[in-house]
Amino acid sequence: DTGVSQDPRHKITKRGQNVTFRCDPISEHNRLYWYRQTLGQGPEFLTYFQNEAQLEKSRLLSDRFSAERPKGSFSTLEIQRTEQGDSAMYLCASSPTGTDNEKLFFGSGTQLSVL
Amino acid sequence: QKEVEQNSGPLSVPEGAIASLNCTYSDRVSQSFFWYRQYSGKSPELIMSIYSNGDKEDGRFTAQLNKASQYVSLLIRDSQPSDSATYLCAVNGYNTDKLIFGTGTRLQVFP
Repeated sequence: DTGVSQDPRHKITKRGQNVTFRCDPISEHNRLYWYRQTLGQGPEFLTYFQNEAQLEKSRLLSDRFSAERPKGSFSTLEIQRTEQGDSAMYLCASSPTGTDNEKLFFGSGTQLSVL
Repeated sequence: QKEVEQNSGPLSVPEGAIASLNCTYSDRVSQSFFWYRQYSGKSPELIMSIYSNGDKEDGRFTAQLNKASQYVSLLIRDSQPSDSATYLCAVNGYNTDKLIFGTGTRLQVFP
């Protein structure tokens, strides 16, 4: 399977715990995006990497959220001190270089439930 | 005003009909426009992109863009029950690499 891979598919945690999600983009895609989606809403932009550089981060993203892409390949998204409002589907997407660099290919997502 | 607006629907059309999905955007300098399809419980899938005013056709899908009116639409000809999904409009700004998504329009195609 050469698509975008996300792990885990589901995560249930208690309020106040830290969680970390992983995303493996399509190989040779140098752009990687994190989005969050709640029921009935469209994906909401969180952050974006080009190679290992984090180029843009949503102003709505609190300091509890951090993302890394240390070697320009896979990425991790960590949420510290989770809150019930963090419950959502966390989507990772990657895009290729060149003229198609705005075309996002999404992974299956990680569904987070904060109890 | 939301950056990308769509009617949430549901839009119900009979099998074989043309489904028309609409989207307006607020950033006048937006350059790139996309339609994604999202089946229930699945992730979004890119189906169309359009960058210039006018129509772009791909199989049963036609994307239409009018930058003066800040309006983009998606037509689905010969609608099939398998087209039943949520259709997300996404717009990219002039000086940003992120896509802004609308809330999506739920399409129901009934036999």
